[in-house]
Amino acid sequence: GAGVSQSPSNKVTEKGKDVELRCDPISGHTALYWYRQRLGQGLEFLIYFQGNSAPDKSGLPSDRFSAERTGESVSTLTIQRTQQEDSAVYLCASSPNRGGVNIQYFGAGTRLSVL
Amino acid sequence: SQQGEEDPQALSIQEGENATMNCSYKTSINNLQWYRQNSGRGLVHLILIRSNEREKHSGRLRVTLDTSKKSSSLLITASRAADTASYFCATDDAGNTPLVFGKGTRLSVIA
Repeated sequence: GAGVSQSPSNKVTEKGKDVELRCDPISGHTALYWYRQRLGQGLEFLIYFQGNSAPDKSGLPSDRFSAERTGESVSTLTIQRTQQEDSAVYLCASSPNRGGVNIQYFGAGTRLSVL
Repeated sequence: SQQGEEDPQALSIQEGENATMNCSYKTSINNLQWYRQNSGRGLVHLILIRSNEREKHSGRLRVTLDTSKKSSSLLITASRAADTASYFCATDDAGNTPLVFGKGTRLSVIA
């Protein structure tokens, strides 16, 4: 079946503008994660959705960042008043989270460049 | 914060040689996983080892886990140019919690 899909694949924006990134998870996956990856670095956890539970927002770096997910479907990550430091690849992953095993399936990411 | 720390940061080998990457972590874990990331792509799951396992094999991959030393190693045997990628370890302390990733090892396999 289809994998995790993210759009856009690339986004160039001006400092101060808002951006919205989209993630379509694999159908039936109850968990959805957003990560940020700066150039040459590892993944930085941002936010986690599990079914209809309240999301774990503990990784969001500031109140300019927010995310939504309706049920077990599409999620959007919004960055308001973008700063140059927000430039990174934003990766989304989904997981069926079965049997206490959290194997994650990643999209190709959105490369955000803030000028 | 990142829990897993891979070592070395970068590794360059000839095709056919074996590649070994190490990962250290700080807290108790439930599972440890290894992922591969090709340039400009998302991560792909390679192998998972549970905290009560010591070694696991999958094709040319061999993973070991030493919970007393809080470390794991990934061995890729008979490397190929297509193995060129970044490799990350990731840990979780329970089934439904976010994974904590290390900074990765960049592997270059030269044909």
